[in-house]
Amino acid sequence: QLHLQESGPGLVKPSETLSLTCTVSGGSITSNNYYWAWMRQSPGKGLEWIGHIFYSGNTFSNPSIRSPVTMSVDTSKNQFSLKLSSVTTADTAVYYCARLDGWLADYWGQGTLVTVSS
Amino acid sequence: EIVLTQSPDFQSVTLKEKVTITCRASLNIGSSLHWYQQKPDQSPKLLIKYASQSISGVPSRFTGSGSGTDFTLSIDGLEPEDAATYYCHQSGIFPWSFGRGTRVEIK
Repeated sequence: QLHLQESGPGLVKPSETLSLTCTVSGGSITSNNYYWAWMRQSPGKGLEWIGHIFYSGNTFSNPSIRSPVTMSVDTSKNQFSLKLSSVTTADTAVYYCARLDGWLADYWGQGTLVTVSS
Repeated sequence: EIVLTQSPDFQSVTLKEKVTITCRASLNIGSSLHWYQQKPDQSPKLLIKYASQSISGVPSRFTGSGSGTDFTLSIDGLEPEDAATYYCHQSGIFPWSFGRGTRVEIK
């Protein structure tokens, strides 16, 4: 059974970088069949797609996300990561990682709350 | 960005009653519309993909229909465990987007 687990700081200061990692177990991140995605959810904006990445490093990201987005993959650890730089309070949300089968997220992590506050 | 408008925002329903949730897209997205169920403190769970395709393990009382700009999720005979928020999601046109959700409560 595939399992995804987000990890990272729960509190980030404004203007700093938010960094999260998703560890995948029960399946290989190097599968040619899947992309790996990040979503977030906040009371103000609801669910938002942030972006997704293939194990080769090919990425797609949402231009509506104001904070610059960087995604990467570490195939040796079966992990993929998200960085949002110069965050503001608007980036406070529950962040989810997920697997994309085709163009939809079929497996999601449990989510991790990240609060941007000084 | 494609805007997905769900209605209603909230529905209070009696057990065994039929529930209908609609999702309207601001542009034609073909059948690239999916439905998720989310319970408190849980991540979204995929219910229906590509407008009407069923998902293994999801009860058959959940069905989807529609194409283009108008879509519907139906729950044929509400069960207690169906109390949740339901979201539509489009992956037909970048950037992908979600509806604001419909909360279903058991009356």
